[in-house]
Amino acid sequence: EQLVESGGGLVQPGGSLRLSCAASGFAFSSYDMNWVRQAPGKGLEWLSYISSSGSTIYYADSVKGRFTISRDNAKNSLYLQMNSLRVEDTAIYYCSGPGLPWGQGTLVTVSS
Amino acid sequence: DVVMTQSPLSLPVTLGQPASLSCRSSQSLVHSDGNTYLNWFQQRPGRSPRRLIYQVSNRDSGVPDRFSGSGSGTDFTLKISRVEAEDVGVYYCMQATHWPPITFGQGTRLEIK
Repeated sequence: EQLVESGGGLVQPGGSLRLSCAASGFAFSSYDMNWVRQAPGKGLEWLSYISSSGSTIYYADSVKGRFTISRDNAKNSLYLQMNSLRVEDTAIYYCSGPGLPWGQGTLVTVSS
Repeated sequence: DVVMTQSPLSLPVTLGQPASLSCRSSQSLVHSDGNTYLNWFQQRPGRSPRRLIYQVSNRDSGVPDRFSGSGSGTDFTLKISRVEAEDVGVYYCMQATHWPPITFGQGTRLEIK
């Protein structure tokens, strides 16, 4: 069982990024999935949830209207489209699922 | 939103001694299905979080039996029977009973005295 996040990087305020999470070693299409982030030196913040089929989606208020979660079960992949990025979105972004080991995360830095 | 409050924020412990970490929720975490969705995570320095305990008291696979979870309603505890050097890190509680949003506590930093 493995989750590998990618797509992070340095972006200017107001910019966009698309994060990916590649799943392997388990039946990805059977798992509800989440995105969680951790700002430098801070705690964990839940961002978004998507059901196994993709039919149910939730967002934290802090990202609602700016971030979009999606998945492609045929590709065993989870995504997070991040628009209108702010300095306070700077964090390590993790994908997670119940009982699954967390990946290493991907660092997003929003700075001018 | 359910507020999760952990205490203490910092916990110095002597090797081989027990440790007790507290987590309190702003409302009962008993779900309408009868389950209590309270998890504990460990984050070692420089590492990703790892789930230790789910639904209050169930240890995840590979978690040493020196870790145990207990509690009910709004008060929960993670206990380490004998602290080892590899236990250093930050421990978070998380609730998934009343969601969205899923909420985490602010973390307890365990260090060796």
